[in-house]
Amino acid sequence: EIALTQSPGTLTLSPGERATLSCRASQSVTSNYVAWYQQKPGQAPRLLMYGTSSRATGIPDRFSGSGSETEFTLTISRLEPEDIAVYYCQQYGSSPHSFGPGTKLEIK
Amino acid sequence: EVQLVQSGAEVKKPGESLKISCKGSGYNFAGYWIGWVRQMPGKGLEWMGMIYPADSDTTYSPSFQGQVTLSVDMSMNTAYLQWSSLKASDTAFYFCARLWGNYHFDYWGQGTLVTVSS
Repeated sequence: EIALTQSPGTLTLSPGERATLSCRASQSVTSNYVAWYQQKPGQAPRLLMYGTSSRATGIPDRFSGSGSETEFTLTISRLEPEDIAVYYCQQYGSSPHSFGPGTKLEIK
Repeated sequence: EVQLVQSGAEVKKPGESLKISCKGSGYNFAGYWIGWVRQMPGKGLEWMGMIYPADSDTTYSPSFQGQVTLSVDMSMNTAYLQWSSLKASDTAFYFCARLWGNYHFDYWGQGTLVTVSS
């Protein structure tokens, strides 16, 4: 099984700043099959990115993804107050399709 | 419009059985895997397993193998998650979600809260 770790656990930034969220896998992820989800309080998760760097439908281009093998990054270029959420990475290259523990994004 | 609508909140006692549902609409239900995700109170997401409605092919996470059962009713476009004997530690939100291919989750249900308490 592939274990994912995410850092930092909590990230506090101001509107307009750039956020960099990291996801590390315990072994190489097949075909860089990594997705990112955003979960706001009381809501279901929402798909942001898949295949490491492809944006899901309706996701603004402020969100971007990069990485390969065991190191992956979600970048939010210009933070907006609505970006307050927990962000989870997921690998789906091998079963079970594990999730990371999440990064909580707070806005100052 | 693709929609996954889950059944309502449940309150059960330890040892009781339970089956919760996830009804898909707006797409070819048979042709997309449905997955289930657990979220314990205040915690992260855990991938439980997935089922392919067309042939009921099922894959479970080792952490949930033998603890839950996934099934589908193609006539109702509905997927199910069931327990034969609930434990207090099963208290959580449970989300169903559609998989694109057998890959990432692209659409999610609203979640079902299961509370197990004596």
